[in-house]
Order: sequence, then structure tokens, then C-alpha cells
Amino acid sequence: RKEVEQDPGPFNVPEGATVAFNCTYSNSASQSFFWYRQDCRKEPKLLMSVYSSGNEDGRFTAQLNRASQYISLLIRDSKLSDSATYLCVVNEGGGNKLTFGTGTQLKVEL
Amino acid sequence: GAVVSQHPSWVICKSGTSVKIECRSLDFQATTMFWYRQFPKQSLMLMATSNEGSKATYEQGVEKDKFLINHASLTLSTLTVTSAHPEDSSFYICSARPTGGGTEAFFGQGTRLTVV
Repeated sequence: RKEVEQDPGPFNVPEGATVAFNCTYSNSASQSFFWYRQDCRKEPKLLMSVYSSGNEDGRFTAQLNRASQYISLLIRDSKLSDSATYLCVVNEGGGNKLTFGTGTQLKVEL
Repeated sequence: GAVVSQHPSWVICKSGTSVKIECRSLDFQATTMFWYRQFPKQSLMLMATSNEGSKATYEQGVEKDKFLINHASLTLSTLTVTSAHPEDSSFYICSARPTGGGTEAFFGQGTRLTVV
């Protein structure tokens, strides 16, 4: 089983749609969780951290379920510029090592 | 936000030659930097953890003699791919976290290596 697992997609959605991505992680000792965005042939950039209580940043909402070892990202009112690969990232055990999922590709269309 | 600069952005080299990639933290110090490799349609895979003033820690399956890492200062780490082969062609990315501050990792722009 992969340490961090995501559906690779691609998810093709119309502009204005709401879309959700899921991610599961295998290490129950994981302490920090993030969603990164990666554009084609570019470096990953932090989209948002994920907190146990859930958190929202504009059109983006992240949720964490420790019992199920499950993280989600919800994007409302999708924009063309949201087209990218979204990486689920887990920091295991409080050290510096980050483990990346394979990413979920989103394509927002007119 | 913090900036990590990585050079070169892309390089094409012949088989058997060596290529050096630099990773610099421009506005913060980083005791630890990380080197990743990403093949097409795959996730970033950690290759090694670079420690300032000491030896790098390599992930299982990564040859330390092939991927030489030097972290001579708190703002610079280098990765040298020695005796490169076509199968080493990949996207190499470094990242760093400010020493003593926060959980966010900042990434360099990446280096696309093509070995012909």
C-alpha cells in the first residue's frame, strides 16, 4: 500500500463547478498534512495546510479525518486558473520528511 | 514568502558526464535541505536529506556515490549527478525549510535533466 494515495484523475470540470479530491495516508503517526499545487513542469507550491478542525481559505476547504486517515480538498466555483495537479503531502512523525501523493490532475474547462 | 533558487532550470548532457545542480535559500538559512526526483506522471520521491556540515542521508535505493550531495553552508546545497545515464533523465527539485521556523517547505524551481 502506498504511503499517501490519491486518485490521479484527470478530473475535467466546467468553470464554476465544485470539485473535491480525496487522499488517504497509511501512517497513523503522521502529524502534519498539506495540499500543494503543481503546475505542469513547475515546482510544487503550498496551497494550504490541513488542520484537524478543518480550514477554509477563500474557495478552498480542507478537511482531515484522523480516524479514517483521510484528507480532502474542496474547490468551489472553479476557475480556469485552478487547472493543475494537486498533491496531498504528509509529514510523518514530526520530522522534516514529507511524503507526496502522486497528485490529482484537475482540468477546468469553459 | 521565502525563496529557494535552483539552477540550472534545465540541462542536456551526454551520457557519462556529470551535472551539478545548485539549490540556494535566498532569504533564510536552512540547516536541512531536501532533494527530490519526479518522473513523468509520478509523485515527488525523496532522494536524500542534505545536512549542513555533515553527510547527507540517502533514501533506500538511492546510490550515494552516483548522487553526490554537498551542503557547505546554511544557504547552499548542491547535487551532482555523476556519470549520468539516460535513465537519470528526470525533474530534480530541492526544498528547504527555514531553520527553527514553521512547517512549510519551500521548493526550488526544479531542474529538468535530459541525458542523451
